[in-house]
Amino acid sequence: DTAVSQTPKYLVTQMGNDKSIKCEQNLGHDTMYWYKQDSKKFLKIMFSYNNKELIINETVPNRFSPKSPDKAHLNLHINSLELGDSAVYFCASSQETGTLSYEQYFGPGTRLTVT
Amino acid sequence: QQPVQSPQAVILREGEDAVINCSSSKALYSVHWYRQKHGEAPVFLMILLKGGEQKGHEKISASFNEKKQQSSLYLTASQLSYSGTYFCGTFTGGGNKLTFGTGTQLKVEL
Repeated sequence: DTAVSQTPKYLVTQMGNDKSIKCEQNLGHDTMYWYKQDSKKFLKIMFSYNNKELIINETVPNRFSPKSPDKAHLNLHINSLELGDSAVYFCASSQETGTLSYEQYFGPGTRLTVT
Repeated sequence: QQPVQSPQAVILREGEDAVINCSSSKALYSVHWYRQKHGEAPVFLMILLKGGEQKGHEKISASFNEKKQQSSLYLTASQLSYSGTYFCGTFTGGGNKLTFGTGTQLKVEL
């Protein structure tokens, strides 16, 4: 059973389109995250939700909108895609909000390519 | 600000040891270590907490120097399976988030 799953694994689309990435975790965790990993492998947090409530919202363009229908799901919708959005997007989850002592479990990633 | 890791890349022969360093400009409450193999997700290795508590991998050890705001990951008797990119993640107490380091690419060869 996959702990954190994401769909789709690959996404190729044209500039200006709108796309969504879905994430689900079956670990019973309260907190979920979206990370962006660029071509230089830098892993940067975008958003974090705790029990459906947004708790971290980094400096991310308004075109990115996360949604958490329940604590096991966190989706990412991107409007008006730009070339610079091309990256690998990882969903992750952890037991509690404070990442002080709880490890994060990552999904397999979604490779987004904008042409 | 992103923690800085050194070295950026290292190549080892199987059985050799390596040390990866992570340095932060802010006071640290905890340091996480993750390994990411090519095309895969980061996988948790270890957490080091202020005060000395650790939890994680049996075959990998790490240290946490709170005063110097640094952590080091020690890989001993390296195996081919150790190859990948290692990231530290630091928790500085503000914003409830991990800030990941610049990454260290490690390759173990026969």
